[in-house]
Amino acid sequence: AQSVSQHNHHVILSEAASLELGCNYSYGGTVNLFWYVQYPGQHLQLLLKYFSGDPLVKGIKGFEAEFIKSKFSFNLRKPSVQWSDTAEYFCAVIHGSSNTGKLIFGQGTTLQVKP
Amino acid sequence: DADVTQTPRNRITKTGKRIMLECSQTKGHDRMYWYRQDPGLGLRLIYYSFDVKDINKGEISDGYSVSRQAQAKFSLSLESAIPNQTALYFCATSRGLAGTDTQYFGPGTRLTVL
Repeated sequence: AQSVSQHNHHVILSEAASLELGCNYSYGGTVNLFWYVQYPGQHLQLLLKYFSGDPLVKGIKGFEAEFIKSKFSFNLRKPSVQWSDTAEYFCAVIHGSSNTGKLIFGQGTTLQVKP
Repeated sequence: DADVTQTPRNRITKTGKRIMLECSQTKGHDRMYWYRQDPGLGLRLIYYSFDVKDINKGEISDGYSVSRQAQAKFSLSLESAIPNQTALYFCATSRGLAGTDTQYFGPGTRLTVL
């Protein structure tokens, strides 16, 4: 079965530190990749997505992610985090050729940024 | 996203009770989804619907049922709630573009089953 793994379950950083959250998926075919963010008490919001083209994708709030097909990875990065980035981050995958609309989510990574 | 609304936002109920969670959207999307979120497990798909006449089970549909009353409305029911259904439930919608679909989520319903 296809799966998505987020290796870091809980990350604690100080403001201005750099961030990288890992995401690996198990499906070998064409994939579409997403990062969602869930701020405390709020719903999931789309941070960025990759469908095709440039594997370095830029999203909102200074986040970016790089799709490395050979490593089945889609890691999320931000050069300098802020306290307001404290949230839970979810990586998700859907098969590129799929018409089922089934998003497969990772377990989530909780990011805590200390002021 | 205010385009996807869920009611109620919070609900506490007792074991054995029937519960309905409602989702409405004004995005004009054909596809709607119900997920549950549990700590450490991410989001798991319960049911999804491509249109009013097309409803499909997700990975964890046991103990749940759904109704797609209209393009804009998709309800999730727990026929006889049990404590391990305590979770955060999210509704989502998408346009249904094969291969490039993006899902938009509602604010969630926090359900506690005592």
